[in-house]
Amino acid sequence: GAGVSQSPSNKVTEKGKDVELRCDPISGHTALYWYRQSLGQGLEFLIYFQGNSAPDKSGLPSDRFSAERTGGSVSTLTIQRTQQEDSAVYLCASSTYSGTDSTDTQYFGPGTRLTVL
Amino acid sequence: AQSVTQLDSQVPVFEEAPVELRCNYSSSVSVYLFWYVQYPNQGLQLLLKYLSGSTLVKGINGFEAEFNKSQTSFHLRKPSVHISDTAEYFCAVSDPPAAGNKLTFGGGTRVLVKP
Repeated sequence: GAGVSQSPSNKVTEKGKDVELRCDPISGHTALYWYRQSLGQGLEFLIYFQGNSAPDKSGLPSDRFSAERTGGSVSTLTIQRTQQEDSAVYLCASSTYSGTDSTDTQYFGPGTRLTVL
Repeated sequence: AQSVTQLDSQVPVFEEAPVELRCNYSSSVSVYLFWYVQYPNQGLQLLLKYLSGSTLVKGINGFEAEFNKSQTSFHLRKPSVHISDTAEYFCAVSDPPAAGNKLTFGGGTRVLVKP
């Protein structure tokens, strides 16, 4: 079946511009995660959505970052007023959800490589 | 806060030789442990995970890992590597279940398999 897809695969933008990154999770997966992979910071968690619960935004690095998930499926990560330090690969993952004491496997998309000039 | 340390940033290894990738974690609670692989220009793929039970976990592609609670380690091994195992490998630990299953990753180990 189809895996997690992300678009665009590459995005080059100028400092100060806003960008939107899209994630299409695997159909039926209620949990969705965003991570960032950068040279300086490695792989780090950004935000987590599960069903209709309030998202866990504890990993967002600043208030320039926001994300939403419409209809419990597609998610968009928005970065406002981009800075050069935002350059990274943004990875999305989705999983089923078996309850709070579960460890459903997270399936990752190929990522969006963001370059801020 | 949890942290994961991968002691080797790069591991060169000859084809058909064994390889071990080291991972240590720090946590004051029970943890779930994972190894992911990232092939060039691809997303992460789960190799194996430890939740409970047997401390020796077998995964895909001939990899296995051993959970050692006293040493807070979860080292990954493969007895004989192939060229196709050239990739970056990430060890990860999940946050306490009540906080969701977000992962904390180590810095990664890049494996280069030489013919």
